[in-house]
Formats: sequence, structure tokens, C-alpha cells
Amino acid sequence: GENVEQHPSTLSVQEGDSAVIKCTYSDSASNYFPWYKQELGKRPQLIIDIRSNVGEKKDQRIAVTLNKTAKHFSLHITETQPEDSAVYFCAASRSNYQLIWGAGTKLIIKP
Amino acid sequence: EAGVTQFPSHSVIEKGQTVTLRCDPISGHDNLYWYRRVMGKEIKFLLHFVKESKQDESGMPNNRFLAERTGGTYSTLKVQPAELEDSGVYFCASSRITGGTEAFFGQGTRLTVV
Repeated sequence: GENVEQHPSTLSVQEGDSAVIKCTYSDSASNYFPWYKQELGKRPQLIIDIRSNVGEKKDQRIAVTLNKTAKHFSLHITETQPEDSAVYFCAASRSNYQLIWGAGTKLIIKP
Repeated sequence: EAGVTQFPSHSVIEKGQTVTLRCDPISGHDNLYWYRRVMGKEIKFLLHFVKESKQDESGMPNNRFLAERTGGTYSTLKVQPAELEDSGVYFCASSRITGGTEAFFGQGTRLTVV
């Protein structure tokens, strides 16, 4: 079946540095790619998403890039802060289909 | 608008017992999804309702799991009889349009089977 691979499973960065999380997807018809952040004990919440008709989207310190040819997309967080510590999930879907999720990345921001 | 709400927030049951989880989606959201996250693993899709109809239930692990959405409003997920491997956090999410749009999650139900 379709799948999404996410790397790394754990990422530890110094506060103020950048963090990059990468995902690859198998379904070439996927056209929607959201990123969710799940803080400890809380529900997953959408932080940014991108559709297949654009290659990059930015929102303050976070950005997502999409390479449809290679079927991968990445989350970039700059100037990381302690509150960025969480588990991040990527997902992919095509129209009228359910989201396929990555395994998650635990991001640790070291003071 | 009110968010997606789930009941209960925690449930501890013995193996062999029955548990029913409830999800109230955001009003007006026709799409309702159930997911499960087992400790340290990825979010796994269980099933998808469009209104009261099951659009996709390919993620349901076995026939011990039964989901319903009578009237196309709230949904229930029953596990009967529960097994140890059913432990995890069960999330419900809802969205307005099928695919390609943000899914709003509930806070989850942490199920522990002992």
C-alpha cells in the first residue's frame, strides 16, 4: 500500500539552530502535504501545509519545501526555541483519500 | 467554533472487557476519521466516515473493532473484547471536505488494557 517515510525519528538541535525533517511518499498522485505538531499530552495540530502546485511555503520560522519529481517534502524550522520541542508528523494525501502518515520525529531543543 | 471532543480522556480496562469511545466532530464537518497511536509508533488510520457512511475502513485491525456514526453526527468506536495490544491513544479528527484540507484532531482517548 501507499506509505510515507519520515526521517529522522529523533532530532536534537541546539537552541537557535535550524532543524530539518524529511519525508518521502510513494503515491505519485498525492497533492496535499500537511505537517502536524504534537506536544506532550496534547492533540496533533496543523502547523503548515503545502499543495502540489507550489514548491515552497513559509510561515515565520517554519517553511516546507516540496519536490514532486523526487516525491519528497521537508519541514524547516529556523532559530529553534524551547517551545518547538514536540513530535512532528508529516502526511500526504490525494484528493478524496485519507491522509497517510509518517512515523513522527521527536524534536528536542537543547538549551 | 467548538473543537473536536472525545470521551473519555482516559480508560483503563481489563482484557476481555468492552470499551466504547466517543467522538463529537466539529459541527458541519461531514468527514470523521479515527486514528490510533500505539506507544512510540506512527499515527495509524483506522477508518473514515463521510456523514453516516463508512468511506474507508481498511485500517480497522480486526472484527473486535466496531465504529458507528448514526445520523452523521457523533461517532463511537467500540472494542469488544479488548486485548492488551489494543492499548494506545485513539484520536478522532474531522474535516469539511474529503482530502486536501486540514483535519482537526480531538485530544484523544488514552486506552490501557491490563
